[in-house]
Amino acid sequence: NAGVTQTPKFQVLKTGQSMTLQCAQDMNHNSMYWYRQDPGMGLRLIYYSASEGTTDKGEVPNGYNVSRLNKREFSLRLESAAPSQTSVYFCASSEVKGAAYEQYFGPGTRLTVT
Amino acid sequence: GENVEQHPSTLSVQEGDSAVIKCTYSDSASNYFPWYKQELGKRPQLIIDIRSNVGEKKDQRIAVTLNKTAKHFSLHITETQPEDSAVYFCAARNTGGFKTIFGAGTRLFVKA
Repeated sequence: NAGVTQTPKFQVLKTGQSMTLQCAQDMNHNSMYWYRQDPGMGLRLIYYSASEGTTDKGEVPNGYNVSRLNKREFSLRLESAAPSQTSVYFCASSEVKGAAYEQYFGPGTRLTVT
Repeated sequence: GENVEQHPSTLSVQEGDSAVIKCTYSDSASNYFPWYKQELGKRPQLIIDIRSNVGEKKDQRIAVTLNKTAKHFSLHITETQPEDSAVYFCAARNTGGFKTIFGAGTRLFVKA
């Protein structure tokens, strides 16, 4: 049981390049999320998918797109990377089980845009 | 918009002392308040959470208190140990939705 996995772990892009961050979970959770983490700013929600087939914007969606490929997988795409997108990206998943709403995070992707 | 403020940003304590981290939220519809611990280079992990129908919850050396009227909640760590050193994040969420708002984090140093 791997939990939430992300690829790649590290990536360096040049301004204007595109890339897709991959996320998968094996906990059969309905909901999945993408966050970015910047120093001194905590975690900010980019997009989320409440259930398979749906996606919605979070706090900071500009410059990103997402795809909920199936129940397990949720990808984040940067179409034209900018230096302001240099950050650590975390994928997470969750399920409502009784009173529990815990989000399980992946290991993160450290992205640098030069 | 919705906001969670967290204080202090950095906290240094001696091993064995207590540490307190405080958060304030703005959305009165928030009813679920998790706390996450993030060690250097690692993913955030849930350490304790509280729902709005509960005023206090304790799990061994950690406890969380909630004052819904004042929109304040706090994390208390007693008998701190060096392995408690990490960044702690508070968060708030309306369980009817999917958006969790995180505080900016508190970096806790526990000196041996």
